[in-house]
Amino acid sequence: AQKVTQAQTEISVVEKEDVTLDCVYETRDTTYYLFWYKQPPSGELVFLIRRNSFDEQNEISGRYSWNFQKSTSSFNFTITASQVVDSAVYFCALTPPGANNLFFGTGTRLTVIP
Amino acid sequence: KAGVTQTPRYLIKTRGQQVTLSCSPISGHRSVSWYQQTPGQGLQFLFEYFSETQRNKGNFPGRFSGRQFSNSRSEMNVSTLELGDSALYLCATQPNPQVNEQFFGPGTRLTVL
Repeated sequence: AQKVTQAQTEISVVEKEDVTLDCVYETRDTTYYLFWYKQPPSGELVFLIRRNSFDEQNEISGRYSWNFQKSTSSFNFTITASQVVDSAVYFCALTPPGANNLFFGTGTRLTVIP
Repeated sequence: KAGVTQTPRYLIKTRGQQVTLSCSPISGHRSVSWYQQTPGQGLQFLFEYFSETQRNKGNFPGRFSGRQFSNSRSEMNVSTLELGDSALYLCATQPNPQVNEQFFGPGTRLTVL
């Protein structure tokens, strides 16, 4: 069975601070995909990143970076120099091999205060 | 390129009624998945369609059904609505099941009174 845990329900930071969103997952599969999605108030889920379980290389995209550690089953997401536009709910998700059904965590609501 | 389109955006129904929601995928996307989002249960997978065939199904009662047309557009239907069916229903599409990168629509917010 797959399970994704986002222990942080809500986080508030002041603009320009760095913030890390935690994601811990459980799966018995040896191959899987991990994802992060952003859900702004409009409701639409915006794809941020996909990571294959075989690829533990960290990734940086502008102010966003992701730290994947298979040994601790974690896939954390860091926003550097946060901006008000980063305010949203962020979801971590996992798919088993050969399937496309996303198992989502409960989400972390990030509020960036100007 | 136009994004995923879902209609209607908002819907109000009463218990016992049925409802049909529509999803038009991004051009070239042939795989469509549906998700339900509620405050209590979070985001849950409903089903996935590809080439007009249901490829995968989540743990929902038979009142929830779907279909896909030859142009890849998909509909989902909920019969005998219950109060607990009030949710945001999200559609996600991808080029084919192997791509494993889903793009979501804005959702249909269903309220059951």
